[in-house]
Amino acid sequence: IAGITQAPTSQILAAGRRMTLRCTQDMRHNAMYWYRQDLGLGLRLIHYSNTAGTTGKGEVPDGYSVSRANTDDFPLTLASAVPSQTSVYFCASSVSPSSNYHNEQFFGPGTRLTVL
Amino acid sequence: GQQVMQIPQYQHVQEGEDFTTYCNSSTTLSNIQWYKQRPGGHPVFLIQLVKSGEVKKQKRLTFQFGEAKKNSSLHITATQTTDVGTYFCAGNKLTFGGGTRVLVKP
Repeated sequence: IAGITQAPTSQILAAGRRMTLRCTQDMRHNAMYWYRQDLGLGLRLIHYSNTAGTTGKGEVPDGYSVSRANTDDFPLTLASAVPSQTSVYFCASSVSPSSNYHNEQFFGPGTRLTVL
Repeated sequence: GQQVMQIPQYQHVQEGEDFTTYCNSSTTLSNIQWYKQRPGGHPVFLIQLVKSGEVKKQKRLTFQFGEAKKNSSLHITATQTTDVGTYFCAGNKLTFGGGTRVLVKP
């Protein structure tokens, strides 16, 4: 794979439906992240995972859940999609965070999600 | 919580001219990162600054971390069309600024 991949590339979803966005990296990075990007608002952190088996909430976690069963995969689930979740979603990974900060992040190509 | 602001939101630059974009945090930062996102693309890491007053250069790009570690700047000299994109700064709590969108006029 050589890097970080996301699937699907884009999706149109009916409100109320469940959706899982997939993210896989082959760089053996311990830390992974999910962001949403809305026009004019930059990137906002949804959830993160510093290492396999652990997850944490970011700035905008409501309506989303994540799991980190192994190092490579970090799926993001919308249990019941709402129109306000229409956005571009980016997954990212980095080597283990230091005690004070997170290191350089490598971003995937993104998933464009539209909830109608 | 930590808030990161960037100015300007938009920057129209004549090709060949210089410009600077600024990043300001509501809290003291342990580090700051800069990313570039081309239109339709994903953010790509440019640099990380850790030390107070640190200055780093990458060809025509100069990055600076403020003495108080609450602000940072990115200065681009002799702007080229390849510089088009949105430049984001990010604080140590993974808080991104809103970005500066750079448009270059040939």
